[in-house]
Amino acid sequence: DAGITQSPRHKVTETGTPVTLRCHQTENHRYMYWYRQDPGHGLRLIHYSYGVKDTDKGEVSDGYSVSRSKTEDFLLTLESATSSQTSVYFCAISERRGEDGYTFGSGTRLTVV
Amino acid sequence: GENVEQHPSTLSVQEGDSAVIKCTYSDSASNYFPWYKQELGKRPQLIIDIRSNVGEKKDQRIAVTLNKTAKHFSLHITETQPEDSAVYFCAASINYQLIWGAGTKLIIKP
Repeated sequence: DAGITQSPRHKVTETGTPVTLRCHQTENHRYMYWYRQDPGHGLRLIHYSYGVKDTDKGEVSDGYSVSRSKTEDFLLTLESATSSQTSVYFCAISERRGEDGYTFGSGTRLTVV
Repeated sequence: GENVEQHPSTLSVQEGDSAVIKCTYSDSASNYFPWYKQELGKRPQLIIDIRSNVGEKKDQRIAVTLNKTAKHFSLHITETQPEDSAVYFCAASINYQLIWGAGTKLIIKP
């Protein structure tokens, strides 16, 4: 659907372990985004990318890092998972920055125990 | 900082009635305003958007209106149906980013 997939769809991990979530797109869009969604907080931007190897922080970037080595892949890493990072993570893509609607992936439900 | 306020947080309407969700934004330079629908357990999906050079846009039972002077925009859903039950998010482009409202849970009562 819309050429964007996230993996895994669900993950349970232990506190202190590193976790990597993957976003893959087939639309050749320049911009990619990682959001987290928690009850009462809507969508909060973690990091975004405006090209291969070009990334920047969003409003809730602490504890997260990203990498984009290819146009189609955007990885989100939780360096040392904490219970506060239990959330649903959405990846999104867009052709232009802030001028087009975003297409979202199906999300990854992450539980940190 | 720049923000988007969305009201109400929950809206309950009788099936067949209309629903209106309102958002206000802070940056007068904002020029793009999308609305998303998120069904339970699903991804947010774009349902309609409007750019600053128009005041209203319609697509079947949904419409969006924009008042740039007052810096607010609204989503209107007419003849609501059970499948309209979802969380709706507004957003506004601010400094080339989409800034999101907190969401409105729309409940359609049979």
